[in-house]
Amino acid sequence: DAKTTQPPSMDCAEGRAANLPCNHSTISGNEYVYWYRQIHSQGPQYIIHGLKNNETNEMASLIITEDRKSSTLILPHATLRDTAVYYCIVRGGDSGYSTLTFGKGTMLLVSP
Amino acid sequence: DSGVTQTPKHLITATGQRVTLRCSPRSGDLSVYWYQQSLDQGLQFLIQYYNGEERAKGNILERFSAQQFPDLHSELNLSSLELGDSALYFCASSGLGTGIYGYTFGSGTRLTVV
Repeated sequence: DAKTTQPPSMDCAEGRAANLPCNHSTISGNEYVYWYRQIHSQGPQYIIHGLKNNETNEMASLIITEDRKSSTLILPHATLRDTAVYYCIVRGGDSGYSTLTFGKGTMLLVSP
Repeated sequence: DSGVTQTPKHLITATGQRVTLRCSPRSGDLSVYWYQQSLDQGLQFLIQYYNGEERAKGNILERFSAQQFPDLHSELNLSSLELGDSALYFCASSGLGTGIYGYTFGSGTRLTVV
């Protein structure tokens, strides 16, 4: 699976959009970009995933560049409860036998 | 509630002992994954089972073993425990042919070895 690079930490004001970047320059054609988050000591929580197109769900939006070498997770209106470590993971979209490998992620701190 | 149930939530035991952690996957999910998270190591993949068979192995010590039963629940057995085994242990499950679906994680078991 391709490796990813994320900033170690970011700050965001409550109510503002949080834009979390991720570089995955070695991503291959059949690999998906996944985002998870982990609120302190809780189990990681799936946020969103995508292959080529931008995706949106009730939690966030995922913007993937045309060359697929980077992506941005957008939390449109961050709240204090969005303070967490956010993981960007690239994984083959095959039969499900490949596993998720977590890096160090980005610690997002949302402040009042 | 994620649908993945892990028991016990907390476990305190002495060095040299053996413990068993249990995981019930989300209904219908065939794959179970075990992860270890210690303070200095982050989330480390241990092992994956798919419909009762071992599918992938990560950084799992020989003192650790796992299995998945016919009812799809899984157990992670940790033996000859050392202080360094103190960590959060997470179980996750995913659905059939699930390359494009995410994992659902349980709330974890916090193991403290004293």
